[in-house]
Amino acid sequence: EPEVTQTPSHQVTQMGQEVILRCVPISNHLYFYWYRQILGQKVEFLVSFYNNEISEKSEIFDDQFSVERPDGSNFTLKIRSTKLEDSAMYFCASLYQETQYFGPGTRLLVL
Amino acid sequence: AQRVTQPEKLLSVFKGAPVELKCNYSYSGSPELFWYVQYSRQRLQLLLRHISRESIKGFTADLNKGETSFHLKKPFAQEEDSAMYYCALREGGKLIFGQGTELSVKP
Repeated sequence: EPEVTQTPSHQVTQMGQEVILRCVPISNHLYFYWYRQILGQKVEFLVSFYNNEISEKSEIFDDQFSVERPDGSNFTLKIRSTKLEDSAMYFCASLYQETQYFGPGTRLLVL
Repeated sequence: AQRVTQPEKLLSVFKGAPVELKCNYSYSGSPELFWYVQYSRQRLQLLLRHISRESIKGFTADLNKGETSFHLKKPFAQEEDSAMYYCALREGGKLIFGQGTELSVKP
């Protein structure tokens, strides 16, 4: 059964550095999402993406964040200048028949 | 604002006991609700959706619009049910999640 994949599984970075989190959604899915979960808190929506553009974003998704689908398979989340509070688990998801299928997550630690 | 509340952070039961994981929501409209489960070291996966009214792994959930609840139930818990359970509400395209309830089923 096809699954959403994410790389890397863990990333440690210094505050102020740029990070790119990568996701490969299930092929033929058309809607893609990023969520994050700060330790001990809720899973929170960041952004949704359809037809090569952002369809919705949360107030968390400020100018430091961007998303891109650089080719037919990858879907990336970039954080331009990381802050300590960006430390979280980041989940990618893709949508099929009203169900969102989640990747395993990338654990980002900002030092 | 739309919201999902799971009042219990941790629920501990013995094997064979009934389980009810509570979920309440606030939504101005016709809600679409989901339960997701996350087993240890695994990804979030859909357990069930209210519109499909199915039973998965013995779990059921009924939408009660009067009480704005979507509680997850299982009559006889198994040790393999131990996991994090998240209730979620769909708003537009995005999901709004509750805090999650950790279910621990003891032998």
